[in-house]
Amino acid sequence: DQQVKQNSPSLSVQEGRISILNCDYTNSMFDYFLWYKKYPAEGPTFLISISSIKDKNEDGRFTVFLNKSAKHLSLHIVPSQPGDSAVYFCAATFSENSGTYKYIFGTGTRLKVLA
Amino acid sequence: DSGVTQTPKHLITATGQRVTLRCSPRSGDLSVYWYQQSLDQGLQFLIQYYNGEERAKGNILERFSAQQFPDLHSELNLSSLELGDSALYFCASSVVPQGEQYFGPGTRLTVT
Repeated sequence: DQQVKQNSPSLSVQEGRISILNCDYTNSMFDYFLWYKKYPAEGPTFLISISSIKDKNEDGRFTVFLNKSAKHLSLHIVPSQPGDSAVYFCAATFSENSGTYKYIFGTGTRLKVLA
Repeated sequence: DSGVTQTPKHLITATGQRVTLRCSPRSGDLSVYWYQQSLDQGLQFLIQYYNGEERAKGNILERFSAQQFPDLHSELNLSSLELGDSALYFCASSVVPQGEQYFGPGTRLTVT
């Protein structure tokens, strides 16, 4: 049961244009969401996060939007640069009653920014 | 550099063998997580430790076990290895369990 889904395995965008990466989740208990970027042969690196009490968070060229009613979040990269070419993972978390946290990653979207 | 170290970087071993992967978290991070990534698949959560105690378990096989030591480093033990266990194994650490995780460079395990 994949609770966090990234339905687009890959995306190609021209340099300078907007990249939009999407993520859907099924569990309404998730209350904190994160995006990670991964280059080949490296571990993922944290990019940006958003709490469920917000619907938007911005950090430079990166903006994350959260639509709780649709259980959908998206990452916008504007303008896209060739160095943004990587695999992007979304992750969702919530606290279970026992005090542990569920931390679920999506399957990733490979972004290619064309020069 | 995330501050998380993993050793070894590469490991090649035969089916049926046992290996140990080691992880040192960032200084001050109490939570350690282990993930498996097979063939460009997503990150499969295996297990989490917080300050020496197991906190959450994911899709971890019974042949796999882990522990976190008093100095907070962690080891993932994989036994009776099968070809399908070939994967990248990542360790991550965080200050708080729900916060952003900092990943190590991974250990690439090849079972032949």
